[in-house]
Amino acid sequence: GAGVSQSPSNKVTEKGKDVELRCDPISGHTALYWYRQSLGQGLEFLIYFQGNSAPDKSGLPSDRFSAERTGGSVSTLTIQRTQQEDSAVYLCASSTPTPRADTQYFGPGTRLTVL
Amino acid sequence: TQLLEQSPQFLSIQEGENLTVYCNSSSVFSSLQWYRQEPGEGPVLLVTVVTGGEVKKLKRLTFQFGDARKDSSLHITAAQPGDTGLYLCVNNRGAGNKLTFGGGTRVLVKP
Repeated sequence: GAGVSQSPSNKVTEKGKDVELRCDPISGHTALYWYRQSLGQGLEFLIYFQGNSAPDKSGLPSDRFSAERTGGSVSTLTIQRTQQEDSAVYLCASSTPTPRADTQYFGPGTRLTVL
Repeated sequence: TQLLEQSPQFLSIQEGENLTVYCNSSSVFSSLQWYRQEPGEGPVLLVTVVTGGEVKKLKRLTFQFGDARKDSSLHITAAQPGDTGLYLCVNNRGAGNKLTFGGGTRVLVKP
């Protein structure tokens, strides 16, 4: 079956512009996660959606970052007024609805470059 | 925050050699996972270890969970170029199932 897909695969933007990154999880997965992978910080958690519950936004680095998940499926991560330090690979993952799902399935990521 | 320290950060070896990657913490974990990430791809789960002292094998990869459940190791026997990638030690028992990653070990196996 289809895995997690992300678009675009690469995004180059100018400092100060807004960007939207999209994630299509595996069908039937109610849990969706966003992570960021950068050279200096490694892989770090950003935000977590589980079903209709309020998202866990504890990993978002600033209020310029936001995410939504429409219809319990597709998610969009928005970064407003991008800064050079936002340059990173943004990874999306999804997992099954069991309370302690042991496997997260990752998409290939979106590489964001802020000039 | 339960920190995971991986060593070495980078390992370059010739095809056919063995290698070991380490993951250490001062905290006790109920379980740990190892993921591998290839260039341009997302991480892929290799194994989950749960019991202290547990050893799991996946073809030429051997994973061990320390008796005290504070550390883990990954040993690759007769490495192949296809083993090249970033190996990540992961705490999968964070709040809300969110994963906490170690810094990773980048492995390069040269033919």
